[in-house]
Amino acid sequence: GQQVQQSPASLVLQEGENAELQCNFSTSLNSMQWFYQRPGGSLVSLFYNPSGTKHSGRLTSTTVIKERRSSLHISSSQTTDSGTYLCALERGNNRIFFGDGTQLVVKP
Amino acid sequence: GPKVLQIPSHQIIDMGQMVTLNCDPVSNHLYFYWYKQILGQQMEFLVNFYNGKVMEKSKLFKDQFSVERPDGSYFTLKIQPTALEDSAVYFCASLGRSGNTLYFGEGSRLIVV
Repeated sequence: GQQVQQSPASLVLQEGENAELQCNFSTSLNSMQWFYQRPGGSLVSLFYNPSGTKHSGRLTSTTVIKERRSSLHISSSQTTDSGTYLCALERGNNRIFFGDGTQLVVKP
Repeated sequence: GPKVLQIPSHQIIDMGQMVTLNCDPVSNHLYFYWYKQILGQQMEFLVNFYNGKVMEKSKLFKDQFSVERPDGSYFTLKIQPTALEDSAVYFCASLGRSGNTLYFGEGSRLIVV
């Protein structure tokens, strides 16, 4: 939605390249979460990251509250990374907003 | 990890009929959500639910929509009557408490014909 903006909208990589996905938000937040949505539609939680930097394998998430942004870095991309990446912002009153997503295609 | 189960996974229904989508949230979670996603489009918030009550609903949550969780059983989304534009995947999610990880079900694909 308008409260959460993701960029780029789409990204095409060659296998092995790195990707940097951005999420910018216009309101204060209680939490920030990154999801991977498989081509079939189901969602996988990648990071719960309200602030700071977290690592998981080839993935790194960094949230900087003062700058109202969160990023997801994918290193050494693989074809199986293809899909849609969503960030979700939780405001007060437990309402959770999603960005429009970044559609990633990794070519062999 | 924790699982949110959704039943049915797919349903085809005639326009005007009623449909109930069921969600079995993570045990001991307190906050429940429904989201709607039309193919290729954004995940849209419909409603959140806590302590037996709707906390907030979006403009997409039409009068034909209702949610409940009777006696701690399934958290349900009922649409009555259905319309063609209700065709979408409906995702249920649950949250233990504010500021924690949100867990999603696999979605219920609804096709209204």
